[in-house]
Amino acid sequence: DAKTTQPNSMESNEEEPVHLPCNHSTISGTDYIHWYRQLPSQGPEYVIHGLTSNVNNRMASLAIAEDRKSSTLILHRATLRDAAVYYCILRNTDKLIFGTGTRLQVFP
Amino acid sequence: DAGVIQSPRHEVTEMGQEVTLRCKPISGHNSLFWYRQTMMRGLELLIYFNNNVPIDDSGMPEDRFSAKMPNASFSTLKIQPSEPRDSAVYFCASRQTGSSVDYGYTFGSGTRLTVV
Repeated sequence: DAKTTQPNSMESNEEEPVHLPCNHSTISGTDYIHWYRQLPSQGPEYVIHGLTSNVNNRMASLAIAEDRKSSTLILHRATLRDAAVYYCILRNTDKLIFGTGTRLQVFP
Repeated sequence: DAGVIQSPRHEVTEMGQEVTLRCKPISGHNSLFWYRQTMMRGLELLIYFNNNVPIDDSGMPEDRFSAKMPNASFSTLKIQPSEPRDSAVYFCASRQTGSSVDYGYTFGSGTRLTVV
């Protein structure tokens, strides 16, 4: 599985936008970029995924670089409930392999 | 939809005892995954099933661990005998494969296992 690199932690203030980066320089043409998050004491939760084009849903936006070697998860207005560990994962098979993720802290 | 249901939520057992964790996937999902999470190793994929058939068990730590999926609505992960190093949170997840729309994996709330 191709590897992703994320910052260990990030901080944000409530109601501000948050940009969570992910580097995946060894991505292959068939790898989808998936984002999951894990709130405290809960199982991981699907956030968004994409292949080449930017994607939006009710939770977040995913911006994918033109060369696909990096991507950014965008939370448009952070809330306290968005404090979690965010995982960027490359997937081209049935297997979802988690890295260490980015721990996002949100301050009031 | 009740989501992926795992039981028990918490389990405390003595070293050497048999432990059985249970999972009910979302109805209609045909893939099921077992994960283990610890502070040291993070989230590890143990085994997954497609259409009730084990596809990849390369993540199962050793022969003390076994998993079954007798039907589409039930799976078990068994540890026999249990050891203190098996203490972790065990997650079950399910997914519908083969669909034109990918809704991702849905995880259960986990079973926190403590082996003393």
